[in-house]
Amino acid sequence: SQKIEQNSEALNIQEGKTATLTCNYTNYSPAYLQWYRQDPGRGPVFLLLIRENEKEKRKERLKVTFDTTLKQSLFHITASQPADSATYLCALAEGYQKVTFGTGTKLQVIP
Amino acid sequence: DAGITQSPRHKVTETGTPVTLRCHQTENHRYMYWYRQDPGHGLRLIHYSYGVKDTDKGEVSDGYSVSRSKTEDFLLTLESATSSQTSVYFCAISAEAGGRSNQPQHFGDGTRLSIL
Repeated sequence: SQKIEQNSEALNIQEGKTATLTCNYTNYSPAYLQWYRQDPGRGPVFLLLIRENEKEKRKERLKVTFDTTLKQSLFHITASQPADSATYLCALAEGYQKVTFGTGTKLQVIP
Repeated sequence: DAGITQSPRHKVTETGTPVTLRCHQTENHRYMYWYRQDPGHGLRLIHYSYGVKDTDKGEVSDGYSVSRSKTEDFLLTLESATSSQTSVYFCAISAEAGGRSNQPQHFGDGTRLSIL
């Protein structure tokens, strides 16, 4: 069956360090992968999209990599700040109308 | 922020009662979605719409129905609520579908529904 795996355990890092979150998937051939941020009591907010033929995408302090051979995406936040604390979701789009979300990883940036 | 309003934001009701949640958008986007979010399961698609009166089922559609009579409104109805439908419900919109499109989804802030 199709599966998206994100670390269910929270990730705690020190302010100023680089946070790296992982999204692994099986039995997918995604056309693209998205990352969202979700704060408590709020809906997810879109951050970045990377296509299957792209290896890396950057936006300010954010960087996403996409390895279709390893079936893995890494999401990096450089120079992390306490305001980056949130839950981060990856989402895969495979077929038409089919976007599937992972369960998310909670990031805590410690001052 | 995308103009998406969900109502009500919180609701407590009893098993067996009908419940309707409303999603209203001001973006004129074609596609609208209803998800539920539960611990350990993430976001799961209930139903989606690709135009006025055009809807289709998602992966967890049993016990739910939807209607879209106007571009801006997408209603989710629980005909006879059960305790297993206690959840946080999110509406999302997108300018294009998922799949081979590259348009992200924009979410409302959710409705927290408790069924006792």
